[in-house]
Amino acid sequence: EDQVTQSPEALRLQEGESSSLNCSYTVSGLRGLFWYRQDPGKGPEFLFTLYSAGEEKEKERLKATLTKKESFLHITAPKPEDSATYLCAPQWAAGNKLTFGGGTRVLVKP
Amino acid sequence: NAGVTQTPKFQVLKTGQSMTLQCAQDMNHEYMSWYRQDPGMGLRLIHYSVGAGITDQGEVPNGYNVSRSTTEDFPLRLLSAAPSQTSVYFCASRAAGNNQPQHFGDGTRLSIL
Repeated sequence: EDQVTQSPEALRLQEGESSSLNCSYTVSGLRGLFWYRQDPGKGPEFLFTLYSAGEEKEKERLKATLTKKESFLHITAPKPEDSATYLCAPQWAAGNKLTFGGGTRVLVKP
Repeated sequence: NAGVTQTPKFQVLKTGQSMTLQCAQDMNHEYMSWYRQDPGMGLRLIHYSVGAGITDQGEVPNGYNVSRSTTEDFPLRLLSAAPSQTSVYFCASRAAGNNQPQHFGDGTRLSIL
């Protein structure tokens, strides 16, 4: 059974304190892995797509990396506006379906 | 640039009532999907469509109906609302092709009493 686990469930950071979020999965036939950001009361907003092990993508203070069994989202020197829930979603080769993890809630305090 | 629009934003129903959640997209995307989001469970796929006239079941389809008569619209119908259907519902669309990202609406918050 395809499973996705995100850790930690919640993360409290001081402004400027870098950290990493983990997304581990047991999806067979990985086609790609998506990262989304979700603000309270809003729908998920697309951040990155990673296609193969070793790939990295960056956007402002965020960098996503991918291995064969997990992905990391690194937040470097975060600011309060980086506070959100971050969702990962592997897509497997069997069709138009994503399996979403439960998310990591990040709170960055000034 | 509206993207994916969902209506209503909030709704309260009584058990047994029926209703339709509306979803419209203006990006000419072929693929559209409905998800529900519950605390601690992530987003779960209810139904999806790969084009007008074509729909299929997702992970949790029971108690829901969909149809896709146009490219733009993908309504979700609750046939007889149950308290277990209390959730936040998200509609998403994406372009055809491998690894195209999904674009989400801002959700409908539904409470069933």
